[in-house]
Amino acid sequence: QLQLQESGPGLVKPSETLSLSCSVSGGSINRSRFYWGWVRQPPGRGLEWIASIYYNGPPYYNPSLESRVTISVDTSDNNFSLNLSSVTAADTAVYYCARHFDYFEYWGQGALVTVSS
Amino acid sequence: EIVMTHSPATLSVSPGERATLSCRASQSISNDLAWYQQKPGQAPRLLIYGASTRATGIPARFTGSGSGTEFTLTISSLQSEDLAVYYCQHYHNWPPWTFGQGTKVEFK
Repeated sequence: QLQLQESGPGLVKPSETLSLSCSVSGGSINRSRFYWGWVRQPPGRGLEWIASIYYNGPPYYNPSLESRVTISVDTSDNNFSLNLSSVTAADTAVYYCARHFDYFEYWGQGALVTVSS
Repeated sequence: EIVMTHSPATLSVSPGERATLSCRASQSISNDLAWYQQKPGQAPRLLIYGASTRATGIPARFTGSGSGTEFTLTISSLQSEDLAVYYCQHYHNWPPWTFGQGTKVEFK
C-alpha cells in the first residue's frame, strides 16, 4: 500500500522560505506513470493545488504561486519536495503531498505550517 | 482556469435520507471530474472519478452523475460517518487542477 508522509518545520517566519518534503513508501517514484504533487488548505477553507512533477518530466505550477514555488524529486531517496519563498500569513495552511494522474488518489496526512514571527 | 462551484455551501439532511450535492464547472469538462470526502483533521479521500466511477472501497450509497458542466453526488441514505465536507475537482485541460470550495453535509 502506497504511503506518503510530509515533513518539515511547522513554523516559518514571514518573508522566509517554506520547505517541505514528502517521503514515499510502498512504491517507487521513478517506476510510476503518476505525478507527485502538493495541495494546501488554509484553516477553515478549501483545497488549492500548488505544484506537481513527474519523476523525469517538467514541473507544473499553479499560476497564482508560480513565481514563488519550486518542486523537485529525489529518486535516490524516493521523496519529493516543495519550496515556497517569501511567505506571508496567507500561506499558513495544512500542506498535503499526494500522488495523482488526473485525480488525487493517495494523500499524506498533512502538515500544518504556520507563518508567524 | 476552470472554476468549480458547489451548491449549496451547507446541506442539512435527516439521518437515512438522501443527500444531493451539486458541482458546476465554468466550462465543459466532459466527465473529467472527481469527488472527495474530507472529515475534520483528515486528508481528503477519493470517492468518485470519471464523474461516476466509485473508487476502491467506496460504499454503493455514493453515486456520481453528470457531464459537461453539471455534476451531482448523491448519498442515498445518509449515515453518521458521511458527515463531512465534499469537494469536486476537475482534471480537464490541466494545469491547473482546481477544486470547488466544498459542500458541508450535516444532520438536520
